[in-house]
Amino acid sequence: DVKVTQSSRYLVKRTGEKVFLECVQDMDHENMFWYRQDPGLGLRLIYFSYDVKMKEKGDIPEGYSVSREKKERFSLILESASTNQTSMYLCASSRPGTSDNEQYFGPGTRLTVT
Amino acid sequence: DAKTTQPTSMDCAEGRAANLPCNHSTISGNEYVYWYRQIHSQGPQYIIHGLKNNETNEMASLIITEDRKSSTLILPHATLRDTAVYYCIVSRANSGYALNFGKGTSLLVTP
Repeated sequence: DVKVTQSSRYLVKRTGEKVFLECVQDMDHENMFWYRQDPGLGLRLIYFSYDVKMKEKGDIPEGYSVSREKKERFSLILESASTNQTSMYLCASSRPGTSDNEQYFGPGTRLTVT
Repeated sequence: DAKTTQPTSMDCAEGRAANLPCNHSTISGNEYVYWYRQIHSQGPQYIIHGLKNNETNEMASLIITEDRKSSTLILPHATLRDTAVYYCIVSRANSGYALNFGKGTSLLVTP
């Protein structure tokens, strides 16, 4: 059974803290994605990666960075957390090619920045 | 990617078929129709996709009209666990990019 796991389901951080959100997939997928989901705004892409050490900006990359040192792991970093980054963060992975859009999602991390 | 239009919400009785419509009148020839769902407090789950032929898997059936301007996702025997937001997405197959989930249809399955 395919699996995408995220390091925490719930996280509370203070403004200005550096925050690491980890995502691991066990499907040997090349593509990995980070989204955030907010009420009324739907899912928005933050960053994605096609391969190890590769990264591409999505629609809302400001205030975030990513790291992909190993194929199975894709980390989202909030360099200095702010209250407007309070959100649900979702990681996904997929195979390249015709299966690109069959994305498998993790359970999400609900981050609260106070 | 083509834009999609879905009803905001629908109800379905448990055990009955749930038919969720989606309009995508501007779909291009190389764009697929994808369906995902999101159960409350969980990540989205891929359900099914198709290009022009009808498709069926263990979760659902996808019926695409001949002109490809609309489609229907069918859950043949809805259960309470099928209560979720269902997203219809149109995209090129190997776009390798984010999916535009839109607002989806909130399906409530009632006992």
